[in-house]
Amino acid sequence: DAKTTQPPSMDCAEGRAANLPCNHSTISGNEYVYWYRQIHSQGPQYIIHGLKNNETNEMASLIITEDRKSSTLILPHATLRDTAVYYCIVRVPMTTDSWGKLQFGAGTQVVVTP
Amino acid sequence: DAGITQSPRHKVTETGTPVTLRCHQTENHRYMYWYRQDPGHGLRLIHYSYGVKDTDKGEVSDGYSVSRSKTEDFLLTLESATSSQTSVYFCAISGNQETQYFGPGTRLLVL
Repeated sequence: DAKTTQPPSMDCAEGRAANLPCNHSTISGNEYVYWYRQIHSQGPQYIIHGLKNNETNEMASLIITEDRKSSTLILPHATLRDTAVYYCIVRVPMTTDSWGKLQFGAGTQVVVTP
Repeated sequence: DAGITQSPRHKVTETGTPVTLRCHQTENHRYMYWYRQDPGHGLRLIHYSYGVKDTDKGEVSDGYSVSRSKTEDFLLTLESATSSQTSVYFCAISGNQETQYFGPGTRLLVL
């Protein structure tokens, strides 16, 4: 799976949009971009994923550049409960040889402040 | 949230004793996974299952075994616990082959 690079930490003011960058310059054509987050002492929580097109759900938006070498996760109105470590992961679709293993990196520690 | 529970949530045990962790799901998902999370290593896959009685090794499977006798339960056994197996263990499930949903975790301390 392609390696991802994320900033180790970032701060965000409550109520403002949080834009979390991720670099995945070696991504292959069939690899998806996934975002998870982990709030302290809890299990990782799925946020969103995409292949080529931008995606939006009730939690966040995912913007993938046209060359797919980077992406941005956008939390539109950050709250204190969004304080967490955010992981950007790229992986191939599940096949008989790849049973959906997710390779988590170090992630970005996001702190939302009042 | 996906219906996943893990038990026990916390356990303290002694070196050399066997330990079994249980993951239970109510989603009828086919795929189940066991991960461990340690500082500096992130989440690492121990074992996974792609159906009842169908399991395979992950990247850190030494010292661990698993069993899945029914869809809803995936058991992780530490055959003879060691201090290096002190960790937080997470179970995950997946039904659509795309998204994994994680349980709340089990904190294990091996003395």
